[in-house]
Amino acid sequence: QVPVVQSGGEVKKPGSSVKVSCKASGATFKRYSFNWVRQAPGQGLEWMGGVIPVFGTSNIAQKFQDRLTIIADISTATVYMELSGLRSEDTAVYYCARGQDPATQDYYYAMDVWGRGTTVIVS
Amino acid sequence: LVLTQSPVTLSLSPGERATLSCRASQSVSSNYLAWYQQKPGQAPRLVISAVSTRATGIPDRFSGSGSGTDFTLTISRLEPEDFAVYYCQQYGHSPLFGGGTKVEIK
Repeated sequence: QVPVVQSGGEVKKPGSSVKVSCKASGATFKRYSFNWVRQAPGQGLEWMGGVIPVFGTSNIAQKFQDRLTIIADISTATVYMELSGLRSEDTAVYYCARGQDPATQDYYYAMDVWGRGTTVIVS
Repeated sequence: LVLTQSPVTLSLSPGERATLSCRASQSVSSNYLAWYQQKPGQAPRLVISAVSTRATGIPDRFSGSGSGTDFTLTISRLEPEDFAVYYCQQYGHSPLFGGGTKVEIK
């Protein structure tokens, strides 16, 4: 069973929004932190933000604070990332990644389980 | 906080030792420093967490060291499958990645 499964690729118009899902397996879903990391073509990794379901908290990188929402649906063990105001620079592969250890505080751990990535093209 | 990795590219032959550096602009709290390996077309893979703890399935030719602001990932003898891009990451309240080091075949 794949630990995290992401939704499929998207093509979006500039100015629109995209919502990407990440469904996790396992009864302990809410105890782990979940992160969104993106990678533009030929570029490095960029942490966008994350959510810790057991604490009901999320943390968004300053760069994205005005247009990124991350939520967790405990009932379906699914994490969502919604990015609005899309521009061409948002074209990237978006990864969902789970923290290595159950969260014991409002901190994000090293990421040991990664989804396959969701390609978002803004054009 | 900024993480600066060096060199940007490391050209080595199989069997050689690789030494990758990650320097933080301020001290990394609680030793929350990780390393990831990424191959083309694949998601990153956790190699090291907490500065020096190898992740599950990572061979012992990989080792991490350092403290404060200076950290090192060492691959003692490069195997063909080790040629990839490596990223350091500070985690905790607001995770951050370094720019990456590409280890390429010489």
